[in-house]
Amino acid sequence: KQEVTQIPAALSVPEGENLVLNCSFTDSAIYNLQWFRQDPGKGLTSLLLIQSSQREQTSGRLNASLDKSSGRSTLYIAASQPGDSATYLCAVRLGGGADGLTFGKGTHLIIQP
Amino acid sequence: SQTIHQWPATLVQPVGSPLSLECTVEGTSNPNLYWYRQAAGRGLQLLFYSVGIGQISSEVPQNLSASRPQDRQFILSSKKLLLSDSGFYLCAWSVVGAAYGYTFGSGTRLTVV
Repeated sequence: KQEVTQIPAALSVPEGENLVLNCSFTDSAIYNLQWFRQDPGKGLTSLLLIQSSQREQTSGRLNASLDKSSGRSTLYIAASQPGDSATYLCAVRLGGGADGLTFGKGTHLIIQP
Repeated sequence: SQTIHQWPATLVQPVGSPLSLECTVEGTSNPNLYWYRQAAGRGLQLLFYSVGIGQISSEVPQNLSASRPQDRQFILSSKKLLLSDSGFYLCAWSVVGAAYGYTFGSGTRLTVV
């Protein structure tokens, strides 16, 4: 059974710092990996998707990397801003069918102004 | 463009009452549809998924059921709510293909009292 772990569970840093959020998964035979952002009481917003054949994806100040063989992904946030405060969730998709995503429990991020 | 609608946003229901949450998708045909529940401290749990009209797969035994009466409509129901059914319910859709991720609705906060 696929398990996804996110470290750290919570992180509080001053504005302007560069951050790395970590995600690890037990079954390396993934189809793709997706990073989401969740604001309090809201749904999930997709940030980046990395296909199993890819190493990284970038969007603005966000960069996600994938090392399938070691079962790891990192989300890099450059020049953090208070608006980046949210919970960040990592999710893996095992197959190309209808199977759902397996989620980590998230990293709760607070950026101090 | 594709959009997903989920309602109601919040719901407070007494124990033993029925439940009906609705989710509709626009801008795509024959999507895979999903219901997830997010409980405090437990992360996101897949409850049901559907690959087509009338086709429902359940991931965990529980007090809930799901139905898909139309291609882009997914309904989560219960005949009698339990306290343990409280949580944040999220609907999502996806299509087959490694380049495609999951898109989530805005969620329903259900409190059973």
